[in-house]
Formats: sequence, structure tokens, C-alpha cells
Amino acid sequence: NAGVTQTPKFRILKIGQSMTLQCAQDMNHNYMYWYRQDPGMGLKLIYYSVGAGITDKGEVPNGYNVSRSTTEDFPLRLELAAPSQTSVYFCASSTEGQSGANVLTFGAGSRLTVL
Amino acid sequence: EDKVVQSPLSLVVHEGDTVTLNCSYEVTNFRSLLWYKQEKKAPTFLFMLTSSGIEKKSGRLSSILDKKELFSILNITATQTGDSAIYLCAVGRRNYGGSQGNLIFGKGTKLSVKP
Repeated sequence: NAGVTQTPKFRILKIGQSMTLQCAQDMNHNYMYWYRQDPGMGLKLIYYSVGAGITDKGEVPNGYNVSRSTTEDFPLRLELAAPSQTSVYFCASSTEGQSGANVLTFGAGSRLTVL
Repeated sequence: EDKVVQSPLSLVVHEGDTVTLNCSYEVTNFRSLLWYKQEKKAPTFLFMLTSSGIEKKSGRLSSILDKKELFSILNITATQTGDSAIYLCAVGRRNYGGSQGNLIFGKGTKLSVKP
């Protein structure tokens, strides 16, 4: 049981390049999330999904896109990378139900630097 | 806009000290309050609190929620250097949706425990 798997762990991009951060979970969780974490700023929600085929914008969606074609996968695409997107990105998932709701399982994180 | 405020933002103590971390919130449709510990990588789940006045305990860590005054505290007794981490508070909401999603994070408290 791998939990939430994110790749890559580290990446350096040049301004204007594009890339996709991959996220997969094997817990059959219906909810998935992408956060970014900047020093001293906590976790900011980029996009989230309540199930396959459904995605919604979070607080900081500009410059990103997502898709959710399967329950397991929730990739995050960065188009035209900018230095402001330098951050640590976390994918997370959770299940619905009173006992499990809101308890996120996080991936290990992806450190992205845009130069 | 809903918000979660943690204090202090950073704290330095010596091994053996007892610390109290604070989390206050203004959130509509409150469902749960969660504490996470983040060391060098992804946040890991500590506690979920849904009812006022009921203490959750795990070893030297304990937490309690006050839904009337809208805050929670996380206590760590007999601190050890391994307790050094960022402690994140998050509040879950009942109704999903909107740019904040269903889980709102505070900025975290950075705890440093010196030998």
C-alpha cells in the first residue's frame, strides 16, 4: 500500500517551460488536492477534486491546470513556468465519511524551482 | 472569508519544557479541527477533534477543542529534540466548495527544541 505517490521529487525549470507533476493514490479516495507551500505561508490550495471527472479551483489556481480522468490519478500541469511558481507542491487525498473526512494523506512533496 | 490563525508563529524551547500551541478559527459550517506535524517532508496527521472539551491524547501530545470560544490548543509535555517541526492546524467545513475547499490551514507554528 503506497498511499500517495508524487513525482518528481525535485525539478528545476526555466521560465516559460511547462511540466506536469504526477500524483497517484491507491487508497480509493474520492477526494484529491494540490497544495503549494511557501516558507512561512502555510498550505495554499491550488485545485481539488471530489471525484473522477470533477475539478474545482482553489485559492491560487492561476498558472496551473488539473485533470481527473481516474479515481487514482490527479496530475498538476504548470504552463509557462514563472519564478513565482517556485515552491514545494503537495498532493493529498481523503475519503468522505464522518470518521475520515478532512483527514488528508499527503504525498512526499515536489520541490520546484523556476529560474 | 474563513480563516485559521495559529500562534505563536515560532517558538524555541529546551528539552524537557512543556509547550502550548494555539489555534483559533472563524469558519462557517465547522466540521472538525485537525492537527498535523510537518518535519522535513509531508505533514503527518496527529489529531482530529470534533467535540468540545474532550481531550485527545497520544503519548506526550494532547489536544482539546473549545467550540464556544473557537480555538484549540496542542500541548507537548517533556519536549524532545524530535518534536522539532512545524505544527499545522486545519479546520474542516461541512459543505464542500468554494476556493478554500473543505479544509483551511493556518500558517503553522515552527517549534524548535534545543538539547
